[in-house]
Amino acid sequence: EPEVTQTPSHQVTQMGQEVILRCVPISNHLYFYWYRQILGQKVEFLVSFYNNEISEKSEIFDDQFSVERPDGSNFTLKIRSTKLEDSAMYFCASSRTGPTNYGYTFGSGTRLTVV
Amino acid sequence: KNEVEQSPQNLTAQEGEFITINCSYSVGISALHWLQQHPGGGIVSLFMLSSGKKKHGRLIATINIQEKHSSLHITASHPRDSAVYICASRESYNTDKLIFGTGTRLQVFP
Repeated sequence: EPEVTQTPSHQVTQMGQEVILRCVPISNHLYFYWYRQILGQKVEFLVSFYNNEISEKSEIFDDQFSVERPDGSNFTLKIRSTKLEDSAMYFCASSRTGPTNYGYTFGSGTRLTVV
Repeated sequence: KNEVEQSPQNLTAQEGEFITINCSYSVGISALHWLQQHPGGGIVSLFMLSSGKKKHGRLIATINIQEKHSSLHITASHPRDSAVYICASRESYNTDKLIFGTGTRLQVFP
């Protein structure tokens, strides 16, 4: 069964450093998402991406965050200057026609630890 | 805006028991999602349903649109079913953004 692949599975970074989290969505999917889950809290939406642009973003997704689909297969989330409170599990998800019709496939997540 | 509530927060069971996890939502959006989060943190989509019932192996999901309520049932539970089960729904009609429940932590003992 097709999978959404995320790398790395775990990343430790110093506060203030830039990190890039990578995702390879399912090849015929058109809609891409990042969600995150701070330890002990609910999963929360960060951003959705369609047709090479952001279609929606949350209040969390400030200027420190950016997303990119650089080569038609990868989908990346960049955090420019990490803060301690960015420590969380980050999930990439993709959907063929939008999750209201077709549902999501989630990646297994990247656990980001900012020290 | 939609609100998603789950119960119970924690559930323990003996192997073989029938499990029910409940989810209610406040806005009648078209589809509700059930997800499973493994102890390592990864999320797997179990069901997306907008009416009636869906079955996959020992898992059954039902939804009552009028009551804005969904249930996830596990028949003949097994220790490998131990995980966090999460329901999610769209925040509103004009967004694809999902909002998530707090999750139900299930532990099944042999």
